[in-house]
Amino acid sequence: RKEVEQDPGPFNVPEGATVAFNCTYSNSASQSFFWYRQDCRKEPKLLMSVYSSGNEDGRFTAQLNRASQYISLLIRDSKLSDSATYLCVVNPGGYQKVTFGTGTKLQVIP
Amino acid sequence: DTEVTQTPKHLVMGMTNKKSLKCEQHMGHRAMYWYKQKAKKPPELMFVYSYEKLSINESVPSRFSPECPNSSLLNLHLHALQPEDSALYLCASSQKGSRQGADEQYFGPGTRLTVT
Repeated sequence: RKEVEQDPGPFNVPEGATVAFNCTYSNSASQSFFWYRQDCRKEPKLLMSVYSSGNEDGRFTAQLNRASQYISLLIRDSKLSDSATYLCVVNPGGYQKVTFGTGTKLQVIP
Repeated sequence: DTEVTQTPKHLVMGMTNKKSLKCEQHMGHRAMYWYKQKAKKPPELMFVYSYEKLSINESVPSRFSPECPNSSLLNLHLHALQPEDSALYLCASSQKGSRQGADEQYFGPGTRLTVT
């Protein structure tokens, strides 16, 4: 089993739709969790950290389920500008290393 | 301000050349990272510096040589590269220098390297 797994997509959704991505991780000792977005040929940009209590930032909601070892990202009212690859990032514990998922591609269509 | 800058943006070099990539941050972050990213793949960690000391080397070939002159600067010296080293090289920084856990990393725009 891979350390961090994501559905590569693509997810093609109409503007205004709600879309959710999941990401599973294999190491139950994992401590820190993040979502990044990456546009084509650009650097990853931090979208949000994922806390045990979950967190929300505008249209974006992230949740952590330690029992089932997954994190989720919910995007409400999708905009064309949300089209990007969403990377799940997990710190497996201990040192500063993080593991990136392979990313989920989102395409929001007019 | 969460800005990490990298120079140059693009670099084309021959296999016998020596070049350097530069990265700078002024956020007072104590950890800095080098990643390599190939097309349609996630970033792969190469090196981590913590409090200006090399703390992680992911078994990177010696033709890549990192250097951290001070807490704001990170260099990657390149020598005798191979065409398969062509990739986007990303620098990142994070606030904590601690070896425990990981906090948010902020990436620079990257240097797109082509080895001919």
